[in-house]
Amino acid sequence: ILNVEQSPQSLHVQEGDSTNFTCSFPSSNFYALHWYRWETAKSPEALFVMTLNGDEKKKGRISATLNTKEGYSYLYIKGSQPEDSATYLCGRVKGNKLVFGAGTILRVKS
Amino acid sequence: NAGVTQTPKFRILKIGQSMTLQCTQDMNHNYMYWYRQDPGMGLKLIYYSVGAGITDKGEVPNGYNVSRSTTEDFPLRLELAAPSQTSVYFCASSLTQDTQYFGPGTRLTVL
Repeated sequence: ILNVEQSPQSLHVQEGDSTNFTCSFPSSNFYALHWYRWETAKSPEALFVMTLNGDEKKKGRISATLNTKEGYSYLYIKGSQPEDSATYLCGRVKGNKLVFGAGTILRVKS
Repeated sequence: NAGVTQTPKFRILKIGQSMTLQCTQDMNHNYMYWYRQDPGMGLKLIYYSVGAGITDKGEVPNGYNVSRSTTEDFPLRLELAAPSQTSVYFCASSLTQDTQYFGPGTRLTVL
């Protein structure tokens, strides 16, 4: 993996479904991985900053795990709600900047 | 605490015109960034700064210039607007390489 890649590109789920998506990144010289939630017509908002291999973070129904050795992070949403509809961005710290993936667009139907 | 503010919110430019997008933060953050939102490609970094007087190019710097004379302000200048610069521009700031706080964005159309 040379760049930050996110999959799937988009996801449509029903209200109440649990879902997860993936962020893959170069594993060498790892410093930190960020997750952001980006609602349409708004600004990205930080969810998690993850630094340690095996890290697991949780905020309400959203959680994330980190594997720095194999270069991936999973974001989980339990019991999706329509208000979870957003683009979820991950970004890998590279030097003094963040390199973002293209994002996963989540749409939750009620 | 206003956080990160950007002006203007919307702007329409003609090809070849110039403009400056303003960004100000009141959190005393050292790091500031300019991104553009390209459809299907997330956020692309244009320029960033790790402190007053220091700026560096990001992934897509061509056609843009920045300056950082104070900790608070990080304006982005478009010298000769082109249709390819039609985008939504976000400014962000952070203390170091930690959580970035984004402004509300400037929607720019070049016709």
